[in-house]
Amino acid sequence: GAGVSQSPRYKVAKRGQDVALRCDPISGHVSLFWYQQALGQGPEFLTYFQNEAQLDKSGLPSDRFFAERPEGSVSTLKIQRTQQEDSAVYLCASSLGRGDTEAFFGQGTRLTVV
Amino acid sequence: SQQGEEDPQALSIQEGENATMNCSYKTSINNLQWYRQNSGRGLVHLILIRSNEREKHSGRLRVTLDTSKKSSSLLITASRAADTASYFCATDKEGNQFYFGTGTSLTVIP
Repeated sequence: GAGVSQSPRYKVAKRGQDVALRCDPISGHVSLFWYQQALGQGPEFLTYFQNEAQLDKSGLPSDRFFAERPEGSVSTLKIQRTQQEDSAVYLCASSLGRGDTEAFFGQGTRLTVV
Repeated sequence: SQQGEEDPQALSIQEGENATMNCSYKTSINNLQWYRQNSGRGLVHLILIRSNEREKHSGRLRVTLDTSKKSSSLLITASRAADTASYFCATDKEGNQFYFGTGTSLTVIP
């Protein structure tokens, strides 16, 4: 596709519900990143993939958060037993190379936990 | 926790004026990037400056990097109303991921 695509754009979940957020990176991009952005804050790093390998998951806030990229393309961020503090915009980005190249961001998924 | 910190947190200027935003970071870096984010939208890459570079230009944008002070500045010349957005610096760690600052909210008044 022309850019990074994320779905859904908006998600409202009841507390305790599991959610899955999808990211379609730009075709051929090796690196894929997930970020969490709270209102009025900068994006906080969650996890990084290089192809299908999850090389860094140090930013995942708890074991309720899980990300995968099984075929090195589409990635899914799953949040189990959602809590109110999980409410945020979840941003996905991809880049052709590693950290020394431009990252292209999707529009994000706004998750609201009620 | 975030690596960088921008200042000022908010900046309001008249159209046509120049806008300067600063970014400070904590650890050594390979490169630093500046991004723009319009309200409710994703981030748009503006410019990348490598650790061995001191200054870079792109159109109306001028970025400087001082690795000894662990700081960078973004200058937008001849600002336009369309430049109204939040601006973030992002630094890489071990070449694998980007760490963003807290952002500067710029308002350009027509």
